[in-house]
Amino acid sequence: EIVMTQSPATLSVSPGERATLSCRASQGVSSNLAWYQQKPGQAPRLLIYGASTRATGIPARFSGSGSGTEFTLTISSLQPEDFAVYYCQHYNNWPRTFGQGTKVEIK
Amino acid sequence: EVQLLESGGGLVQPGGSLRLSCVASGFTFSSHALTWVRQAPGKGLQWVSSISGSGGSTFYADSVKGRFTISRDSSKNTLYLQMNSLRAADTAVYYCANSFTYFDYWGQGTLVTVSS
Repeated sequence: EIVMTQSPATLSVSPGERATLSCRASQGVSSNLAWYQQKPGQAPRLLIYGASTRATGIPARFSGSGSGTEFTLTISSLQPEDFAVYYCQHYNNWPRTFGQGTKVEIK
Repeated sequence: EVQLLESGGGLVQPGGSLRLSCVASGFTFSSHALTWVRQAPGKGLQWVSSISGSGGSTFYADSVKGRFTISRDSSKNTLYLQMNSLRAADTAVYYCANSFTYFDYWGQGTLVTVSS
């Protein structure tokens, strides 16, 4: 099983600032990596797939990069609606696994 | 518009059974793989099981293998998760999602509570 490790666990950022979230895979997953955003009481929302492709309707301030074992989600200028928990997930093989999440909170 | 609507959650005793359903609309049901993902209270996301569009291929997390069965009925556009021998650790919100790679559509979830 591939273990996905996200860092940091919590990121305190002021609105308008840049946020950089990391995700590391215990084995290479090529570019088979997705990022999700989840707000309290809601289902997750797909942000990025293929490590760097924005999903439909996702603002350009969200960008993804990386391949193999190291991945990054960058939010260029945090908006009030971006404060949430973010998860990475690989789909390179079975079982699919998620990272434990990074909570982005208001500083 | 793609919609996924789960139902069937509730309170069940340890060792009991429950069947979850997910009714899908807005896409060609038999052409798409489907997946169950769960989230324990206050915890992260955990992939549970996936099924191919034809139903011929199924995949399970080790934690549920042998206890849970995923299936689908194309005549009803419905995905199922039969859960047997339930444990307290199975307590979670269960989401259905499209595909078995990345998940761009999710249901609203149904809560399963395993407790005596």
